[in-house]
Amino acid sequence: EVQLVQSGAEVKKPGESLRISCKGSGYSFTSYWISWVRQMPGKGLEWMGRIDPSDSYTNYSPSFQGHVTISADKSISTAYLQWSSLKASDTAMYYCARQAGLNYYYYMDVWGKGTTVTVSS
Amino acid sequence: DIQMTQSPSSLSASVGDRVTITCRASQSISSYLNWYQQKPGKAPKLLIYAASSLQSGVPSRFSGSGSGTDFTLTISSLQPEDFATYYCQQSYSTFTFGPGTKVDIK
Repeated sequence: EVQLVQSGAEVKKPGESLRISCKGSGYSFTSYWISWVRQMPGKGLEWMGRIDPSDSYTNYSPSFQGHVTISADKSISTAYLQWSSLKASDTAMYYCARQAGLNYYYYMDVWGKGTTVTVSS
Repeated sequence: DIQMTQSPSSLSASVGDRVTITCRASQSISSYLNWYQQKPGKAPKLLIYAASSLQSGVPSRFSGSGSGTDFTLTISSLQPEDFATYYCQQSYSTFTFGPGTKVDIK
């Protein structure tokens, strides 16, 4: 079964660092980009950025560039989303998703269940 | 950046109704448009890709159409399990999601 398994819920204080993970299984991890998507409480979906696990090349949304870092370790089929200094406004659900498709007809066909991040003093 | 809008932002409908949701892009995106369904507390689920291609396992009552800047998602006969929020997404230039359309019970 193709799946993305995300790490568990996190509760952090402002200024702390955090790395959450997304482990792929059931498919060739290096053959598909992984995207990260934010959903703030009661709000819509926001694409944050993506990584090609084969070479760790990344694209970021301008809204998130410089605020988060996306990385991957292909040896363990895992992608990461990282913050160096959390803010209360980072409180949200974060999803990873597999990017499938060809020639710009890209779509997100497999999703993790999400990781809840709560930032509060 | 390509901006996406959806209308309506919410709608109330009854089981068996035909439902149409519209998505508009701020510039032409050809057919690089996807639709997702999200239920409360759950991850989004892909319904339609490339504007009109039905994802495997998705019921045929869902259909998509359009190209350029204007797109529609149609549910031909609304079922109880279809009450959810629907998002469009462009893939012409990285990704952008629309703001969502919530479909609830009339």
